[in-house]
Amino acid sequence: QITLKESGPTLVKPTQTLTLTCTFSGFSLSTTAVGVGWIRQPPGKALEWLALIYWNDDKRYSPSLKRRLTITKDTSKNQVVLTMTNMDPVDTATYYCAHRPEDRGIRGFDSWGQGTLVTVPS
Amino acid sequence: QSALTQPASVSGSPGQSIAISCTGTSSDVGGYNYVSWYQQHPGKAPKLIIHDVSNRPSGVSNRFSGSKSGNTASLTISGLLAEDEADYYCDSYTSSSTWVFGGGTKLTVL
Repeated sequence: QITLKESGPTLVKPTQTLTLTCTFSGFSLSTTAVGVGWIRQPPGKALEWLALIYWNDDKRYSPSLKRRLTITKDTSKNQVVLTMTNMDPVDTATYYCAHRPEDRGIRGFDSWGQGTLVTVPS
Repeated sequence: QSALTQPASVSGSPGQSIAISCTGTSSDVGGYNYVSWYQQHPGKAPKLIIHDVSNRPSGVSNRFSGSKSGNTASLTISGLLAEDEADYYCDSYTSSSTWVFGGGTKLTVL
């Protein structure tokens, strides 16, 4: 059974850097073609794809947020970390991490964490 | 990259079939067979219901089906049930080697 859980601060001040950790179990990020991604959703709004890291350390970033994002992995700890710099109130959202099993031919996120709400006050 | 275009809302009666469109460009939906669909109930994480345009993950009802024509992908739900009332999102691989979501569609079962 695959599980993922996001952790990090619930409140971040404007201009600060957000660091979120995704801790997962049930799969290995050293398995060929497996990835873990981050997606966010502002309250009442649509999903937004942020970043993805693959087993081979291939990293992909949303073009509109690329300058602010860094994604890393620690395979031994089964964790993926996302940092986002220069936080702004518009970054207030629920942040999800999710599993991408391209090793099984699934080019989609088949397992998701519960999400963590991050608020940036104005 | 711009979000994929989905209708804001669709509705249908129990037992009916509905379709939700997801329109992009030749740089995303039209260029790759890597479209996924997600179902999201209020307060819950999204659930993958279709991947690679038309494939259902194990355990997903066969009432859900996906297709693509040109730059538009579609999700069809047949035999609508009350439990299908949710938000639905598409996503697609893009020529930037990244992914983009649609704006989401709220399905109301009348």
